[in-house]
Amino acid sequence: KQEVTQIPAALSVPEGENLVLNCSFTDSAIYNLQWFRQDPGKGLTSLLLIQSSQREQTSGRLNASLDKSSGRSTLYIAASQPGDSATYLCAVNSGYSTLTFGKGTMLLVSP
Amino acid sequence: DAGVTQSPTHLIKTRGQQVTLRCSPKSGHDTVSWYQQALGQGPQFIFQYYEEEERQRGNFPDRFSGHQFPNYSSELNVNALLLGDSALYLCASSLRQGYYGYTFGSGTRLTVV
Repeated sequence: KQEVTQIPAALSVPEGENLVLNCSFTDSAIYNLQWFRQDPGKGLTSLLLIQSSQREQTSGRLNASLDKSSGRSTLYIAASQPGDSATYLCAVNSGYSTLTFGKGTMLLVSP
Repeated sequence: DAGVTQSPTHLIKTRGQQVTLRCSPKSGHDTVSWYQQALGQGPQFIFQYYEEEERQRGNFPDRFSGHQFPNYSSELNVNALLLGDSALYLCASSLRQGYYGYTFGSGTRLTVV
């Protein structure tokens, strides 16, 4: 059974800092991995999708890496802004057409 | 291009009642999955529909059932509601097996009193 862990559970940083969110998974036989953002009480917004054959994906100030053999992914956010404040969720698709989520990292960026 | 649309956005029900939630997938997607998200937790997989059939099911009781229509839209039904069913219910659409990733709706907040 796939298990996904996200560290840290919460993070508070001043505006402008670069930061790294971590995601680990127990079964390396994955199809792909997707990072989402969730604002309080809202749905999920997809940030980046990494296929199992890829090492990283970039979108603007976001960069996600994947090391399938070690069961890890990181989401790097450059030059953080208050608008980045949200919960970030890592989800693994193990090829059974379902996503397994971590509990998320709650990020607060203060002005 | 409309994304995933869910209705209603909020719902309050009494214990023992039944509820139906609705989802319209993103244009071009043929698969709909439902997730339950309790406060402070990650979403938990309920089930997935493809070609109008339930293809995968998570660890949820039979009180949770669903349906997919020929236009790919879907319903989630929950019978005999319990207080513990209070959660955010998320619908996600994808192409078969999610190779191109999943698109989520804004969710339905269900409160059982």
